[in-house]
Amino acid sequence: NAGVTQTPKFRVLKTGQSMTLLCAQDMNHEYMYWYRQDPGMGLRLIHYSVGEGTTAKGEVPDGYNVSRLKKQNFLLGLESAAPSQTSVYFCASSGRAYNEQFFGPGTRLTVL
Amino acid sequence: AQTVTQSQPEMSVQEAETVTLSCTYDTSESDYYLFWYKQPPSRQMILVIRQEAYKQQNATENRFSVNFQKAAKSFSLKISDSQLGDAAMYFCALGNAGGTSYGKLTFGQGTILTVHP
Repeated sequence: NAGVTQTPKFRVLKTGQSMTLLCAQDMNHEYMYWYRQDPGMGLRLIHYSVGEGTTAKGEVPDGYNVSRLKKQNFLLGLESAAPSQTSVYFCASSGRAYNEQFFGPGTRLTVL
Repeated sequence: AQTVTQSQPEMSVQEAETVTLSCTYDTSESDYYLFWYKQPPSRQMILVIRQEAYKQQNATENRFSVNFQKAAKSFSLKISDSQLGDAAMYFCALGNAGGTSYGKLTFGQGTILTVHP
C-alpha cells in the first residue's frame, strides 16, 4: 500500500498564481485533513473532511479552498497565492475520529 | 479552544542516555487522546506513541514511554537508550474523541532533539 501520497513535492509560485495540491490515500479512510507547518508554530489545521462530498474549515482556512469529490482524494487549492502561504503542507487521513492520523510526505511551497 | 505547549524548543542527549521531552495541554473535554509524533529530516511524520485520557496506565512502545499526569495536564515523552536515529523534531498533539471534534488535532510547537555520539 502507498498510504498517503501528495503531489507535487515541491513548488514555487509567483504572487497571484493559483495551484492545487493533491492528496490521495488508499486506506479507505473517511477522515482527511490538510495542515500547514511553519517554523516555531507546529502544524495548524487548514481544512478537513469527514467523508466524500463534505468539507469544513479548520484553524487557518483563509486563502484556501478544498474539495473531496472522491473518498480517496482531498484537494487543496490556492486561488491567488500570497507570500504568507509559503509553508510546508501536509495531508493526513484517519479511519476513525480518535485514531492515529497517517501523514503524507509533505509539499514545500514557496510563493515569491 | 484547546492548546498544546512544548516549552523546550531544543534538547540534546548523549547516545545510550535517557531524555524526557515535556508537553502540557489544556482542554475542556473529558474524553480525549494524546500523541507524540516524530519528524526526522526526511519530513515524514511518524507516530511514536498514543495515550487515551481514560487510561490510567502510561503507554509504552519499546524504548519510548510517556508520563501522563491527567490532573496536571502534562504528557511527557521519555526516550531510553537514545540512538542516533532518534534525532528529529518531536511534536505533541491533542485530539478530542467525541461529538463534532472529527479527530482534529492540535499540535505543539515542536522540540528538536539532537543525539550526540
